[in-house]
Amino acid sequence: QQQVKQSPQSLIVQKGGISIINCAYENTAFDYFPWYQQFPGKGPALLIAIRPDVSEKKEGRFTISFNKSAKQFSLHIMDSQPGDSATYFCAALNSGYSTLTFGKGTMLLVSP
Amino acid sequence: ETGVTQTPRHLVMGMTNKKSLKCEQHLGHNAMYWYKQSAKKPLELMFVYNFKEQTENNSVPSRFSPECPNSSHLFLHLHTLQPEDSALYLCASSQVGQYYSNQPQHFGDGTRLSIL
Repeated sequence: QQQVKQSPQSLIVQKGGISIINCAYENTAFDYFPWYQQFPGKGPALLIAIRPDVSEKKEGRFTISFNKSAKQFSLHIMDSQPGDSATYFCAALNSGYSTLTFGKGTMLLVSP
Repeated sequence: ETGVTQTPRHLVMGMTNKKSLKCEQHLGHNAMYWYKQSAKKPLELMFVYNFKEQTENNSVPSRFSPECPNSSHLFLHLHTLQPEDSALYLCASSQVGQYYSNQPQHFGDGTRLSIL
């Protein structure tokens, strides 16, 4: 049973546009929601994370929006650049177990 | 070196071979993880070690055998693998404990494993 559902599977955005990736979770025990960015040949790298007591977190061009009642969260990449082309994974952590549950990933391509 | 280092980066082996993957973390963390990453599937958690003790084994076949001699090193011993075991194997580390909530996991760059 997949506990974190991520969409879309792939996304093409023009340079300067907004990239939006959505995730939904089922387990209300999750208490930390990180996003990871993975380039080909590299491991996932932490991009930005949010706790459920916050509805939005912004770091530079990257913003997480969190809707606790709907059990959904999303990543927005403003002014998308070709260098943002990568695979993005949402994840959810139950701190009591210290294990992450990942979405399937979204392959983002930002066209020049 | 900093972060999480995995060796080798690439490994090709036959189904009857025995090999080991190595992971070393230089972050002072007390927990280490093995993940399997296959195409179009979520990252699959395989094993978790907290303070060198295995705390989770997600129904991984016995042909995969982890070893954690200390909090900085983690191995994955491989024996009699199957073609479906071909994947990217990722190691990660984090700091866990009563005073460390919401600590992210840091990943290495993985070992690309191909089973002939």
